[in-house]
Amino acid sequence: SQKIEQNSEALNIQEGKTATLTCNYTNYSPAYLQWYRQDPGRGPVFLLLIRENEKEKRKERLKVTFDTTLKQSLFHITASQPADSATYLCALAMNTGFQKLVFGTGTRLLVSP
Amino acid sequence: DAGVIQSPRHEVTEMGQEVTLRCKPISGHNSLFWYRQTMMRGLELLIYFNNNVPIDDSGMPEDRFSAKMPNASFSTLKIQPSEPRDSAVYFCASNRGARGSGNTIYFGEGSWLTVV
Repeated sequence: SQKIEQNSEALNIQEGKTATLTCNYTNYSPAYLQWYRQDPGRGPVFLLLIRENEKEKRKERLKVTFDTTLKQSLFHITASQPADSATYLCALAMNTGFQKLVFGTGTRLLVSP
Repeated sequence: DAGVIQSPRHEVTEMGQEVTLRCKPISGHNSLFWYRQTMMRGLELLIYFNNNVPIDDSGMPEDRFSAKMPNASFSTLKIQPSEPRDSAVYFCASNRGARGSGNTIYFGEGSWLTVV
């Protein structure tokens, strides 16, 4: 069956450290993968997109990797801050039906001062 | 620029009542999406429209759910009759709908539905 797995347990880290979140998928062939941030009571907000032929993408303190062999994406936040505390969702779009984004259930990140 | 606008933000209704959720997408966006989010199932795509035409409604749970997009600036999601298991946050989202571009999806703030 098709699955997108993100760690359901919250990730607790100290301010200044690097947070690493994982997105694993099975039985999908994504054309690209996106990461979103969701704050409590708000809608998800787009952060980064990486295509199947890209290994790594960076934006300021954010870095995403995409390994289509391992079927895994890693999302890194360097020099984390308490303001980075939120739930982070990964989403896949397939080679067919580009508009159909399938989301993981998200991982909650808590950054302590 | 105004983002995706949803109403109502919160609704509490009794089982069996009709519920209508409304959405105004970002101006100029050609694709509109309705998602449902629950703790158990996460964010699920219910239906999406391109140029006001429903393209994929395979995520609509059952006949009690229906969605319309009468014009480029308005869409509704209706549940009739509502049941307690429909309690969730319903998100509307939109994007430019450019095929193959990996377009970002812009979400509204959601409509929090509780059916008692």
